[in-house]
Order: sequence, then C-alpha cells, then structure tokens
Amino acid sequence: RKEVEQDPGPFNVPEGATVAFNCTYSNSASQSFFWYRQDCRKEPKLLMSVYSSGNEDGRFTAQLNRASQYISLLIRDSKLSDSATYLCVVIDQTGANNLFFGTGTRLTVIP
Amino acid sequence: EAGVTQFPSHSVIEKGQTVTLRCDPISGHDNLYWYRRVMGKEIKFLLHFVKESKQDESGMPNNRFLAERTGGTYSTLKVQPAELEDSGVYFCASSQPLAGVYEQYFGPGTRLTVT
Repeated sequence: RKEVEQDPGPFNVPEGATVAFNCTYSNSASQSFFWYRQDCRKEPKLLMSVYSSGNEDGRFTAQLNRASQYISLLIRDSKLSDSATYLCVVIDQTGANNLFFGTGTRLTVIP
Repeated sequence: EAGVTQFPSHSVIEKGQTVTLRCDPISGHDNLYWYRRVMGKEIKFLLHFVKESKQDESGMPNNRFLAERTGGTYSTLKVQPAELEDSGVYFCASSQPLAGVYEQYFGPGTRLTVT
C-alpha cells in the first residue's frame, strides 16, 4: 500500500471555478502534511503546510481530517496560472523527516 | 537568497557509464535530501544528510549509488555503473528546521537518461 494516495486527475475546470483535491495517507502517526505545486518539468514548490486543523492562504484552503487520514486542497476562483500538478506530501515521523509524495493531481484551468 | 541549485540540468549517458550529480543546498541549511522520480511514478526519497553525516539512506536503490557530502556543504550523488532503470529526474532538497517546521526547498532537478 502506498504511503500517500491521490487521484491523478486530470481535472479540467473553467476559470473562476472552485476545485478540490483529496489525498489519503496510510501512517496514522504522521504529523506534518504539505501541498506542493509542480509545473511541467520544474521542481516541486511548497504551496501550503497543513499542521493542525487546516490552513487558508488567499484562494487556497487546506484541511486535515486525522480520523479519516485525509487532507484536502480547495482552490477558489481558479486562475489560468493555477494550472499545474498538485502534490500531496506527508512527513515520515520516524525522525528522519523524509517526505512521502503522492503521484500528484493534474489541474488544467481553461479560459 | 539563492535557492537550491543542481548540476547538470540534463545528462544522457550509456548503460555502464558513470555519472555524478551535484547539489548545492541553500546556504546554512544542515539538512540535505536526495529524491528521484522515475517516469509515471511518484517522487521517492533516496537519502538524507545532516551536515556531513548520512542520517538515513534507506531509499537508496542499491550499491551502485553513492552519495557524499564532504564538509557538510554541497553533495554529490554518483551512479556507477548506470543502468537503464536509473533514468529519471533526481531532485535535491534542503531544509533548516525552525520551531518544528520542516519545510523542504527543492532544486530544479537533474534529468538523467541512460541509453
């Protein structure tokens, strides 16, 4: 079983739409969670950290549900520039702080 | 502030050859990580340095891979001899934990193609 599972998509949405991605993780002891954004042929870049019950940053909201072991990312008022792959990432809590990645969800925002 | 840099950006080598990848972390970051993404798969952890010491190398695929971080600054990852399945994008990341925050910053990656 994978440490982190995501729906690969693709999600194709019109500009201005609201879109949500979900991600599940297998290790119930995990404490730290992130959403990274990766543009085509670029490195992953940190979008948001999710440490407790959730974060909001402008049009982006991340939620954590520990009981169900999933996190979500909500993007409101989608922009063309939001088109990218969104990676769900969980930290290994064994002490080494290595990241476990999902395969990513591809989003395309259409004009 | 300069970000994580990696060299080369691309490398094409033949099976059996040797390749060395380099990563320069963000200045002052003690933690340095290597990750790899092979086509169609998720990014996977290879190993983790704290300064010059290997903290965890459980993700290294086999003994054809050798990572070093002499002096605790830049790191190299050598593949010798390279095999076809080593093709992929190799990312380096660095972090400096602050008050329990473990955000890692990634370099642009080295795209390795073994033919």
